[in-house]
Amino acid sequence: DTEVTQTPKHLVMGMTNKKSLKCEQHMGHRAMYWYKQKAKKPPELMFVYSYEKLSINESVPSRFSPECPNSSLLNLHLHALQPEDSALYLCASSQEETQYFGPGTRLLVL
Amino acid sequence: AQSVTQLGSHVSVSEGALVLLRCNYSSSVPPYLFWYVQYPNQGLQLLLKYTTGATLVKGINGFEAEFKKSETSFHLTKPSAHMSDAAEYFCAVTPGGGKLIFGQGTELSVKP
Repeated sequence: DTEVTQTPKHLVMGMTNKKSLKCEQHMGHRAMYWYKQKAKKPPELMFVYSYEKLSINESVPSRFSPECPNSSLLNLHLHALQPEDSALYLCASSQEETQYFGPGTRLLVL
Repeated sequence: AQSVTQLGSHVSVSEGALVLLRCNYSSSVPPYLFWYVQYPNQGLQLLLKYTTGATLVKGINGFEAEFKKSETSFHLTKPSAHMSDAAEYFCAVTPGGGKLIFGQGTELSVKP
């Protein structure tokens, strides 16, 4: 089983809202990732967690706040987003350098 | 630094024809190489990967790719295209440490 789940599938939020994206995997993978993907572009890495600790932050604005409550869960807290943050947000987990992606959350910021 | 180049942002084939999607990489160390497929409004699905060993790698849905070190290539092929193969395809390489370097993607269209 190589399933990564993400909720919600779609999210519409205003620039003053606070919302959270959730990602879950039960494959025992110890690394988890957040990516942002714009239309017709490859995914851009945002954050990497390794053994529940933040190991890579690709200079992401502070309005995006990641959290890893345990080895199976990854959250992305959103606050005061801008319209240009509208995108597909993908979560992934990995084992031995192979990353498995979730279906993504389609975010629209109004 | 590692990089990936996918030749052709858009490839169109007829149903039943050969699919060939090109990927070249640059790497100073032996790479791990991947092909992912993304259908509209979905996440990325792993098609196949090369780590070590046999250079011809078979993946899902009838796709395969061959690692050619001398040409720094990892082209994706399928003998006979199906309408359901229409999607965006990404080649990627990892330098390790949790980072995937993606190519810009190739959109495959399949004509009936």
